[in-house]
Amino acid sequence: DAGVIQSPRHEVTEMGQEVTLRCKPISGHNSLFWYRQTMMRGLELLIYFNNNVPIDDSGMPEDRFSAKMPNASFSTLKIQPSEPRDSAVYFCASSPRIIYEQYFGPGTRLTVT
Amino acid sequence: AQSVAQPEDQVNVAEGNPLTVKCTYSVSGNPYLFWYVQYPNRGLQFLLKYITGDNLVKGSYGFEAEFNKSQTSFHLKKPSALVSDSALYFCAVRPTGANNLFFGTGTRLTVIP
Repeated sequence: DAGVIQSPRHEVTEMGQEVTLRCKPISGHNSLFWYRQTMMRGLELLIYFNNNVPIDDSGMPEDRFSAKMPNASFSTLKIQPSEPRDSAVYFCASSPRIIYEQYFGPGTRLTVT
Repeated sequence: AQSVAQPEDQVNVAEGNPLTVKCTYSVSGNPYLFWYVQYPNRGLQFLLKYITGDNLVKGSYGFEAEFNKSQTSFHLKKPSALVSDSALYFCAVRPTGANNLFFGTGTRLTVIP
């Protein structure tokens, strides 16, 4: 299996622009998680899905952030409009069952200037 | 409040010596416990987990961890450190009834040749 796939790996954008991060979970996994990692705040859970349904989005920092999972093999995290404080590494992770270990993708390094 | 603590930001150990990375938790019930490793510019990689049963859990790359309920600890250990073990290590806990993981702040392990 190719593991969790994220794209792009790096994104540099200007403040105010829309950013879309993409994730393909491991086939057969029914839970998907989006995290953000920064030096200051460490690893933060943003939102997670079970069977394509959002379960908890309380970690989403603002209304500028939104996430979707239209099917079992694809999820997006969108930031609109982006701000410099959104600069971070964003990870997607999937799990065969929501209570089991999670498998992380390589991350997307986002820089907002 | 649910939490997990990694009291050491940095651990240095000489190659060939045993290593320990500490983790304590404060959650209700009988939690699931996990260790992850993160190499530079990579996603988190699952190492091992404790759900139930034997308190000593063996995982990838020769790592093991011991669950101690009375001390609410789950320390990561390896009998003989390798330079290639140098990385950032995260402890995580899933409290009873919760779907998501709570991650510690990470411990940077440096193995000195």
